[in-house]
Amino acid sequence: DAGVIQSPRHEVTEMGQEVTLRCKPISGHNSLFWYRQTMMRGLELLIYFNNNVPIDDSGMPEDRFSAKMPNASFSTLKIQPSEPRDSAVYFCASSLSTGGFQPQHFGDGTRLSIL
Amino acid sequence: GQQVMQIPQYQHVQEGEDFTTYCNSSTTLSNIQWYKQRPGGHPVFLIQLVKSGEVKKQKRLTFQFGEAKKNSSLHITATQTTDVGTYFCAGGGYGGATNKLIFGTGTLLAVQP
Repeated sequence: DAGVIQSPRHEVTEMGQEVTLRCKPISGHNSLFWYRQTMMRGLELLIYFNNNVPIDDSGMPEDRFSAKMPNASFSTLKIQPSEPRDSAVYFCASSLSTGGFQPQHFGDGTRLSIL
Repeated sequence: GQQVMQIPQYQHVQEGEDFTTYCNSSTTLSNIQWYKQRPGGHPVFLIQLVKSGEVKKQKRLTFQFGEAKKNSSLHITATQTTDVGTYFCAGGGYGGATNKLIFGTGTLLAVQP
């Protein structure tokens, strides 16, 4: 079975540009998570969805960040305008949200560099 | 805010030595999960602990959940070079959310052959 699929794997762009990261969760999983990982701040939860509905976006850094989940098989994380401090690895993860506590399955991540 | 701290941040061992990482939460957890991230890779789920005082083993790895459900540990016996990576604990159950996890700061393990 395919795991969580993220695209692009790498993105290099200039500050001020719009960046869109994409995620396809594991089929049948109804929870989706966006994380950001940096050396300084570790692995931070940005936002998560249950059944396509945003449940907790308290980790979203500021209004420049937005996330959507238009259907069960696709989500986007958008940064507009991007800044150098947004450079990080962005992970998407999915899990089941029923039947108690469930492990999260991570994608390979998007390595984002803002120049 | 919710915090999950891990110590040490970094550990360098000779192959064959034991290794332990400790995880502490500022609040009581409903469950704790452990993940391993190889260099350049993504976090991969290892195990989940739910009950107070629970101990689980996976071959050379032993996981423990504290009695107060605020701390946990991972112990690796006789490390191997394949154990290299960053080990994260992740606490769950914050604010009643059953599937939200707060990841710890991680412990990077280096194993010298």
